[in-house]
Formats: sequence, structure tokens, C-alpha cells
Amino acid sequence: DTEVTQTPKHLVMGMTNKKSLKCEQHMGHRAMYWYKQKAKKPPELMFVYSYEKLSINESVPSRFSPECPNSSLLNLHLHALQPEDSALYLCASSQGDYYEQYFGPGTRLTVT
Amino acid sequence: GEDVEQSLFLSVREGDSSVINCTYTDSSSTYLYWYKQEPGAGLQLLTYIFSNMDMKQDQRLTVLLNKKDKHLSLRIADTQTGDSAIYFCAETKTDKLIFGTGTRLQVFP
Repeated sequence: DTEVTQTPKHLVMGMTNKKSLKCEQHMGHRAMYWYKQKAKKPPELMFVYSYEKLSINESVPSRFSPECPNSSLLNLHLHALQPEDSALYLCASSQGDYYEQYFGPGTRLTVT
Repeated sequence: GEDVEQSLFLSVREGDSSVINCTYTDSSSTYLYWYKQEPGAGLQLLTYIFSNMDMKQDQRLTVLLNKKDKHLSLRIADTQTGDSAIYFCAETKTDKLIFGTGTRLQVFP
């Protein structure tokens, strides 16, 4: 099983809202990732968790706050977003650094 | 250049072979990957090749790697309408995946 699940599938939020994106994997993977993908562009790395610790933060604005409650779960907390943050947010997991990454279906986020 | 480059668009007839090309940047990349993305969906890992290999075949997919020229290609044999999607190559750079610009493959009957 190489499934990564993400909820919700779609999310519309106002600029003053607080919401969270969730990601789950049950493959025993020790690394989990958040990517942002704008239309017609490749995914851009936001955060990497390795063994439940934040190992990479690609200079992402503080209105995005990641959390890794355990080895199977990854959250992305959203607060005071801007319309330009509207995008597809993808979660991925891998056995570890340098291993192939498996992606979830994504959350389509619209900020109004 | 600094980007992993791919041609933007490829159109093929159903039943023909498709060849998608990629030029990557880091000669020390250990693994190179091909991902497929259908509209509104996540990325599906299709195949990958270790840097000490020249070729890898997996059913209809053939990956060729030319390390000297930092060139990677994906050949899809007997292309079907279900193969219509965006294809991304990706290289490993330190502990990150760097994606190519993506190639939209359109298959027509």
C-alpha cells in the first residue's frame, strides 16, 4: 500500500480564518513533506519532517505552521492567508531522505 | 541553467510511442524520478532510475539516462488516452527533490 491521504479535498477560506490541512500515511515512512503547487507549475517544497522533527523550512511565511503529532500524521495550520496563497497543497512521505516520495491527492485551497 | 528543464508540450497519436525529455542540473544526483499528474490530482510516482544505470524498463515505460549530458528521457510505448497528463522529472539535490518544469502529454485518437 503506497497511499497518502489528505483532507479536506477542497477548502475555501477568508483571509481572517484559521484552518488546518491534514495528511496521513500508514506505510511506516519516517519523512513527511508539504509542497505548494500553483497552476501549470511544478511543486515547491515548503517543509520537511524527518523522524517527527522539522528538518527543512524553505523560508515559508509564518502564516503557515506545520505540525507532526506522530509518525503517521502531518498537519498544516493556516492563519491570515492571502489570496496569492491559493494553490494545490500536496503532502508526501518517504522512507527517509533520498528515498522516493509518495504523494497524496492534494487539498485545493482558495483564499477569498 | 539552474532549472531542471523539460519541453512544455507533446502531442502523440494513440498507439504511437511518446518520448519525454528532461535536462537536469546536478551530476551528483543519486536518483532521478518520473512522476505523472492528472488534472486536479496529486503526483503519481511512475518509475525511477539510480544514477549508475543507463536504462530501466518497466512494462510500457523505458527510462534512459545519459549522465555525461545530464539528460533523462521517458519513453511510453503504445501510448493510450489514459496517458494524457503532465509528466515531471525530478532529481535529488542534497536531501530535496527538485522538479522539472513539466511536460503536458496530449494523446489523440
